Amino acid sequence: GAVVSQHPSWVICKSGTSVKIECRSLDFQATTMFWYRQFPKQSLMLMATSNEGSKATYEQGVEKDKFLINHASLTLSTLTVTSAHPEDSSFYICSASLGLTTLGYGYTFGSGTRLTVV
Amino acid sequence: GENVEQHPSTLSVQEGDSAVIKCTYSDSASNYFPWYKQELGKRPQLIIDIRSNVGEKKDQRIAVTLNKTAKHFSLHITETQPEDSAVYFCAASKAGRRALTFGSGTRLQVQP
Repeated sequence: GAVVSQHPSWVICKSGTSVKIECRSLDFQATTMFWYRQFPKQSLMLMATSNEGSKATYEQGVEKDKFLINHASLTLSTLTVTSAHPEDSSFYICSASLGLTTLGYGYTFGSGTRLTVV
Repeated sequence: GENVEQHPSTLSVQEGDSAVIKCTYSDSASNYFPWYKQELGKRPQLIIDIRSNVGEKKDQRIAVTLNKTAKHFSLHITETQPEDSAVYFCAASKAGRRALTFGSGTRLQVQP
């Protein structure tokens, strides 16, 4: 149980284009989804917290107009990287808190998306 | 917000030896402390976790200790094996609506 499906697993896009990453909770309702970014050989850094039906909360230094987050349903959260540039190339991963479900405590992670902007 | 510091950044041990990784956290409200193992390009894999109402937890070769007063927690791996080689992250959160804050990671290398 508590599976988060993340797609795509990898994507290569041209500079200036937009890329959408989806995270779906398959067997539970994720009222809150966290989005992280991980650069090579670095830790996971929280970008934003998305709550179903409301605006996302962004961490300091994360451009909300560049990283658009939508959490329109209890099972789907999306991150759109707009006007991507090579410096946006990174590993993006979503996570849901199980503490808000009947599944107990802890967190579950999507499988991650490797974004390469050329 | 929460700040988690992790040491060491790299750790090399001989197969069969023990490995210890230490983390400190800043927010006394944090009550959930998981440890993750991450392979390159993969999602973090939970290996053990501890909640603030417990001081120690063990699962076979892996144990975690928590000192709430000092705000630090440690991962102990005994009888290390080459397949334990990976990057390990500690994390802390106030479980629920708060996200995990991760440490900077420790690259563990177990030499055969």
